[in-house]
Amino acid sequence: AQSVTQLDSQVPVFEEAPVELRCNYSSSVSVYLFWYVQYPNQGLQLLLKYLSGSTLVESINGFEAEFNKSQTSFHLRKPSVHISDTAEYFCAVRPGGYNKLIFGAGTRLAVHP
Amino acid sequence: GAGVSQSPSNKVTEKGKDVELRCDPISGHTALYWYRQSLGQGLEFLIYFQGNSAPDKSGLPSDRFSAERTGGSVSTLTIQRTQQEDSAVYLCASSQLQANTEAFFGQGTRLTVV
Repeated sequence: AQSVTQLDSQVPVFEEAPVELRCNYSSSVSVYLFWYVQYPNQGLQLLLKYLSGSTLVESINGFEAEFNKSQTSFHLRKPSVHISDTAEYFCAVRPGGYNKLIFGAGTRLAVHP
Repeated sequence: GAGVSQSPSNKVTEKGKDVELRCDPISGHTALYWYRQSLGQGLEFLIYFQGNSAPDKSGLPSDRFSAERTGGSVSTLTIQRTQQEDSAVYLCASSQLQANTEAFFGQGTRLTVV
C-alpha cells in the first residue's frame, strides 16, 4: 500500500532563513507528487507538482522540490522564507493509473520575525 | 463552475441529528474526494469516487457516514446520528481521473455538533 510520511509536524524558523520540509513516500508503482499549502483560515491550494521530466520543480513564490526516486523523497525547500509563508504544507502522492491522491499528515511552518 | 463549490460553508447541528453536506465539483472532473480535517490535524481521507467504477469507501469512519454522487457530478456526504467527535471541516476535491492531474479543493464545510 502507498503511504506518505512528513517527518516534521512543526517547523519554526526565523524570517529570511532557509527551510526544508521533508516528505517521503512508499509505493510499489510509479507516482506523481504534489505539495499543497493551506494558509491560515483558507482552503488548500496546489503549490507545485512533479509529473515527469526534470526532477526539480519550482513554484511561483520561490519554493522548490526535488524528486529523488532512489530515496523516495520529495522534500520542499526555500532559501529565504517570509512571514507570509506561515502555513500548513501537505505532501501528496498519486500512484499511476486512476488511483486516489494520498496525503501526508502535514507540516506546520511558522515563520518568526 | 469555476471551482469546487461546497455548501453550506458552516453548519451547527445538535447531537443525534442527521446532516447532509454538498459538493459541486469542477465541470468535467470525473474524480471526486471527501476529506475530513479536525482542528490542528491533517487530512483524513473519507471516500473517493473514480468515474464509473465503484467508489473507494475505505476511509469512512463508521456506518453513520455515507456518500453518493449523482449523475457523475454533484456529491452529497451524509452523516447520520451526529456525534460531537464528528465536528470538523469537511473538504471536497475534484480532479480528472488520470493520476497525473492535480486535485482542486473547495473551501470546506465547517461542521459543529453541539
